[in-house]
Amino acid sequence: AQTVTQSQPEMSVQEAETVTLSCTYDTSESDYYLFWYKQPPSRQMILVIRQEAYKQQNATENRFSVNFQKAAKSFSLKISDSQLGDAAMYFCAYRGYDGNQFYFGTGTSLTVIP
Amino acid sequence: DTGVSQDPRHKITKRGQNVTFRCDPISEHNRLYWYRQTLGQGPEFLTYFQNEAQLEKSRLLSDRFSAERPKGSFSTLEIQRTEQGDSAMYLCASSLLAGGYNEQFFGPGTRLTVL
Repeated sequence: AQTVTQSQPEMSVQEAETVTLSCTYDTSESDYYLFWYKQPPSRQMILVIRQEAYKQQNATENRFSVNFQKAAKSFSLKISDSQLGDAAMYFCAYRGYDGNQFYFGTGTSLTVIP
Repeated sequence: DTGVSQDPRHKITKRGQNVTFRCDPISEHNRLYWYRQTLGQGPEFLTYFQNEAQLEKSRLLSDRFSAERPKGSFSTLEIQRTEQGDSAMYLCASSLLAGGYNEQFFGPGTRLTVL
């Protein structure tokens, strides 16, 4: 089974600064999808950004961008100009090209310091 | 609101009781997923439906767990003879099978506490 590892249980960032959350995964597939989800306290998970493995260009969504290193099986999330509303648990997730289920990491709790 | 909804949001029960949770997916979505999330962990896949057919079940889904999706709309997840180890957040997600990302949209979850 695929595994997703988030090695940073907790991270903090000053408001307006930049923070990078790391994610690595293990797979034998050549094509797949990667996602970052955000789960605010007591609220539902929402998709932050997504990347298809065969696309070499890193995905960007406003202040959120990824650094996708396929050979290293690394998929980090960069949050620029951090805002108080960015405080949440962030989960990295993997889905195989023909797969149905998502495999999630254990999450990184992000604190934004005013 | 056309998002995924779950009911109840919180459930406290005594060990040995049966509980049932409901999930209403986004209306046009033909796939529905159930996940379990325990404290400090990411969601773990339990099962998924395509329309009314249950196509895949995780080994985590013991015989005390049963899920249905009659008519391919809402889904229910029942846990019989609950155990303290069943205490968790149960998440529902839905997606539209249309190739590509097959992005899953999550509901707010049902938090189960078994005393």
